Amino acid sequence: DAKTTQPNSMESNEEEPVHLPCNHSTISGTDYIHWYRQLPSQGPEYVIHGLTSNVNNRMASLAIAEDRKSSTLILHRATLRDAAVYYCILVGDLSNFGNEKLTFGTGTRLTIIP
Amino acid sequence: KAGVTQTPRYLIKTRGQQVTLSCSPISGHRSVSWYQQTPGQGLQFLFEYFSETQRNKGNFPGRFSGRQFSNSRSEMNVSTLELGDSALYLCASSRKTGSYSTDTQYFGPGTRLTVL
Repeated sequence: DAKTTQPNSMESNEEEPVHLPCNHSTISGTDYIHWYRQLPSQGPEYVIHGLTSNVNNRMASLAIAEDRKSSTLILHRATLRDAAVYYCILVGDLSNFGNEKLTFGTGTRLTIIP
Repeated sequence: KAGVTQTPRYLIKTRGQQVTLSCSPISGHRSVSWYQQTPGQGLQFLFEYFSETQRNKGNFPGRFSGRQFSNSRSEMNVSTLELGDSALYLCASSRKTGSYSTDTQYFGPGTRLTVL
């Protein structure tokens, strides 16, 4: 499986934007970039995913480098509820059934400062 | 729409015993995956079930097994428990439309297993 590299921890002030980086230099052409986050005492939850183009949803934005070797998850206005561990995961072409495996790295622990 | 539910939420067992954990996926979801989370190893994939068949398996010993029922509910079993099996066991479900590029996994709250 292609690997991702993330900083172990980051801090951000409340109500400010947060940029969480992820390096994935061995990404293949068919790998999707997924982000999940795990709030304290909860299971992971899906945040966003993309292939080549930047993506936006109600939770966050995903900026993907042109060469796809890195990406950045952007939280536009962090709140205390965004304090979590954020995981950047590469997901291969799973158009065939039977390959739901997610390979989690160590993720980035995001601390929000009030 | 109800989320993924896991029972029990907490469990204490002793070494050598066996345990069965249950997972009910979101209605309409056909795929169920299981993960183990420990402070030392992080989140690790155990196995995935789809249409009552195991489709993918992680690197865990044969003591870890699972099954899926016709209603997509799944159970995982750990036999001959060891101290190192103490962990949070997470279940995730997905719709599995065949276009995984747009599919995502929904995780339950987990079962916290403590082996004494």
